[in-house]
Amino acid sequence: GENVEQHPSTLSVQEGDSAVIKCTYSDSASNYFPWYKQELGKRPQLIIDIRSNVGEKKDQRIAVTLNKTAKHFSLHITETQPEDSAVYFCAASANQAGTALIFGKGTTLSVSS
Amino acid sequence: EAEVAQSPRYKITEKSQAVAFWCDPISGHATLYWYRQILGQGPELLVQFQDESVVDDSQLPKDRFSAERLKGVDSTLKIQPAELGDSAMYLCASSLDGGNTEAFFGQGTRLTVV
Repeated sequence: GENVEQHPSTLSVQEGDSAVIKCTYSDSASNYFPWYKQELGKRPQLIIDIRSNVGEKKDQRIAVTLNKTAKHFSLHITETQPEDSAVYFCAASANQAGTALIFGKGTTLSVSS
Repeated sequence: EAEVAQSPRYKITEKSQAVAFWCDPISGHATLYWYRQILGQGPELLVQFQDESVVDDSQLPKDRFSAERLKGVDSTLKIQPAELGDSAMYLCASSLDGGNTEAFFGQGTRLTVV
């Protein structure tokens, strides 16, 4: 089955800096890669996703890149703000019957002002 | 805005007792997941339903855990008997159709086994 590795486990940046979180996956059939943000005591919520037919996707200060050959994808947050502080999870799944969304272990991002 | 509903929000139970969690997915969502999240870690898949059928329960400890989605709508996850190591957040999520579409999470049930 799919295995998703995520690094780093914790990341501390100054407000205004960029933050990068990286994930690798094992199943070459995976073609959907979402990123979720989970604030303390709240449910995970989707912030951006990418499918294997594109290499990069951007939404304001957030971007995701995908390298299918190397089986890794990354989340980039620019101009970080204190409200970006949260736990971020990457996930992967394949568009096949019975395949589930498998999550990484998470990255705790702390943005200090 | 439609949300995934879960109950109860919090549950404290003694070890060896039975406990059950309920989830009502977003209307029209065929896929329903149960995940377990230990503090500081990512959600771990327990079971995935497509309509009323189990499509993946390979990580479900079947000696004590069971899950059902009888009419393909709401779902129940049961633990019997509960063990101290079962203390965690149990998250339900639903998606329109399979792992290739956005999964929406419920608020979760925080289980504490004492």
